[in-house]
Amino acid sequence: DAKTTQPPSMDCAEGRAANLPCNHSTISGNEYVYWYRQIHSQGPQYIIHGLKNNETNEMASLIITEDRKSSTLILPHATLRDTAVYYCIANTDKLIFGTGTRLQVFP
Amino acid sequence: ETGVTQTPRHLVMGMTNKKSLKCEQHLGHNAMYWYKQSAKKPLELMFVYNFKEQTENNSVPSRFSPECPNSSHLFLHLHTLQPEDSALYLCASSQWAGPTDTQYFGPGTRLTVL
Repeated sequence: DAKTTQPPSMDCAEGRAANLPCNHSTISGNEYVYWYRQIHSQGPQYIIHGLKNNETNEMASLIITEDRKSSTLILPHATLRDTAVYYCIANTDKLIFGTGTRLQVFP
Repeated sequence: ETGVTQTPRHLVMGMTNKKSLKCEQHLGHNAMYWYKQSAKKPLELMFVYNFKEQTENNSVPSRFSPECPNSSHLFLHLHTLQPEDSALYLCASSQWAGPTDTQYFGPGTRLTVL
């Protein structure tokens, strides 16, 4: 499983887009990029995943660079309820959670 | 979200007690997982069950004993725990145990060992 690197924390104003970066420079061709988030003291929540193409669902968009060495999770209109720790995971086999990015959305 | 439920939500136990954590999934999934999350540490995978069979034990001490009687239920039996076992224990399920299968987590059991 590829190692991922994320900034430890980020701030975002409510209503603005939150762009969370993730570096996975050692990712192999068959490893997917997954994003989960964990709101304080709750279980992690699946957000989105992708392999090569950009993906969008009702929660977020995932932009993966052409060389697949990095990706960005975009929350288009962040709300206070999006305050959480966001985990980027690149895996072929099982989820290995790192320390993630603590996103603080402020009013 | 009530797809994966866990009971109890909070548990305080002494080192000589025996207790069990319960997880139930209502999603029709075939794979279930136990994770441990200690304070200020990443989630650690403990066990994986696929079609009731244990497929992974991530070097977990024997004082943690999992049981999966069917695809909908997963237990974690605890005995002679140590204070350092205090953590949030999370259960998850997925359709299959494959790399692209999204895992759905329960709310967790907050365990305190005195």
